Amino acid sequence: QSVLTQSPSVSGAPGQRVTMSCTGGSSDIGAGYDVHWYQQFPGTAPKLLISGDNYRPSGVPDRFSGSKSGTSASLAITGLQAEDEADYYCQSYDSRLGVVFGGGTKLTVL
Amino acid sequence: QEQLVESGGGVVQPGRSLRLSCAASGFTFSRYTMHWVRQAPGKGLDWLAFISYDGSNQYYADSVKGRFTISRDNFKNTLDLQMNILRAEDTAFYYCARQFSTYNWYFDLWGRGTLVTVSS
Repeated sequence: QSVLTQSPSVSGAPGQRVTMSCTGGSSDIGAGYDVHWYQQFPGTAPKLLISGDNYRPSGVPDRFSGSKSGTSASLAITGLQAEDEADYYCQSYDSRLGVVFGGGTKLTVL
Repeated sequence: QEQLVESGGGVVQPGRSLRLSCAASGFTFSRYTMHWVRQAPGKGLDWLAFISYDGSNQYYADSVKGRFTISRDNFKNTLDLQMNILRAEDTAFYYCARQFSTYNWYFDLWGRGTLVTVSS
C-alpha cells in the first residue's frame, strides 16, 4: 500500500493531452513538500522527469509539466507520443516516513 | 560519465543474509546523500533507506528497520546495503539512487538495479 495514491492506468491517443494525479496527505504533499515525477520503461531504472513540482531536468521535453495544489499533484503530457508509453511514479517526502512514492500509473498510448 | 552500478544480487534462502553494493563513478560521491529503493517484479517503487553524505545519519523505512543496514565508504566510492533475515517479500530489484542535494529529496541518478530473489 503506497503512501501516495495514483490511478493505476491512463490512456490517450497520439497528439492528445493526458493527466495523471497523485494524492497525499497532511504530512507529505499537504505539508508543503515538493512532488517529483519519474518515468520508467519496462526493464529499466526510473528516470527523473519532473522535480520540485514543475521543473524539467535538461533533456525532458516541455510536453511534460507538473502542478500541485493542496494535498495533490498532477502530471500532464501534451502532444502524446507513442514513446511516452511507460509507468509514471510520483514521489514526495513525509515528515515521519521519509521518502514516499505513489503506486505508479501505467500510461497506454492507443 | 556519472554512473551507479549495483552488484551482489542473487538467489538466497529465507532467513539468510545478503549484502548489496553500489559503485559510484563520475562524480564526487562524498558530497551526496545516497538511498536504496526497491521494486518487486511488476510492482511499484519502495524506498528503503538513506545515508547522509558523510555517513553520520541513516534513516530506514519501517518495513526494513532492524533488518537492513545502509553504509558507505567515501574512499572507495561505494554504498552498501546489508540485508538480514530475508523474507520472500524482499524479492525485488534493488536500486541505489543519488539525492539531488541536501534539501531536495529526489533522485537525479539511478543505478540499473540488482535482482534479489528470496526463495527456498
